[in-house]
Amino acid sequence: GQSLEQPSEVTAVEGAIVQINCTYQTSGFYGLSWYQQHDGGAPTFLSYNGLDGLEETGRFSSFLSRSDSYGYLLLQELQMKDSASYFCAVRPSAVYNQGGKLIFGQGTELSVKP
Amino acid sequence: EAGVAQSPRYKIIEKRQSVAFWCNPISGHATLYWYQQILGQGPKLLIQFQNNGVVDDSQLPKDRFSAERLKGVDSTLKIQPAKLEDSAVYLCASSSRGGSGANVLTFGAGSRLTVL
Repeated sequence: GQSLEQPSEVTAVEGAIVQINCTYQTSGFYGLSWYQQHDGGAPTFLSYNGLDGLEETGRFSSFLSRSDSYGYLLLQELQMKDSASYFCAVRPSAVYNQGGKLIFGQGTELSVKP
Repeated sequence: EAGVAQSPRYKIIEKRQSVAFWCNPISGHATLYWYQQILGQGPKLLIQFQNNGVVDDSQLPKDRFSAERLKGVDSTLKIQPAKLEDSAVYLCASSSRGGSGANVLTFGAGSRLTVL
């Protein structure tokens, strides 16, 4: 089967740093992505890790360890607008074979308090 | 560039009725996906098209759901007859075929279905 585990909710204060973990068990693995979704909105792409290590994009960073089937999203200098749901997603097959299909986790609801 | 367009945004129907959702992906994107997102859960893939061919429909309840992408551009997802458990947001997404763009799915705003 395919499963992705992430915490259901996280609370932090403005200006703080928060880490959202994701562990996965899938039949194949060709990369880990993170998406942000505000209430009533569309999921929007944040980052992609195809290889082990850290990817940094502004205030957001994402890490992958394929040997541990584990990744995380790190959000720094939290702002109120970061309050949203965050989803990790695994690509279980190669793009050239089956395109960009993603399997999503259940999501982590982040609440940023003043 | 224009985003992924979906309509209608909201639909309320009685169980056993039928409904159709429409999606127009980003111009030039070969791959189109329909996802179902039940409240409080992550999106679940229903069907994936590459141009006008089906790549994966393993999780599509084929006794009631159907989808088509006749000219390899826009797509329609139909539910007939609807059940209460079909209440969800139906998200359409698209991605380019190759290169780094294939790693990014761009989602539409979704069509929220309520079945009474």
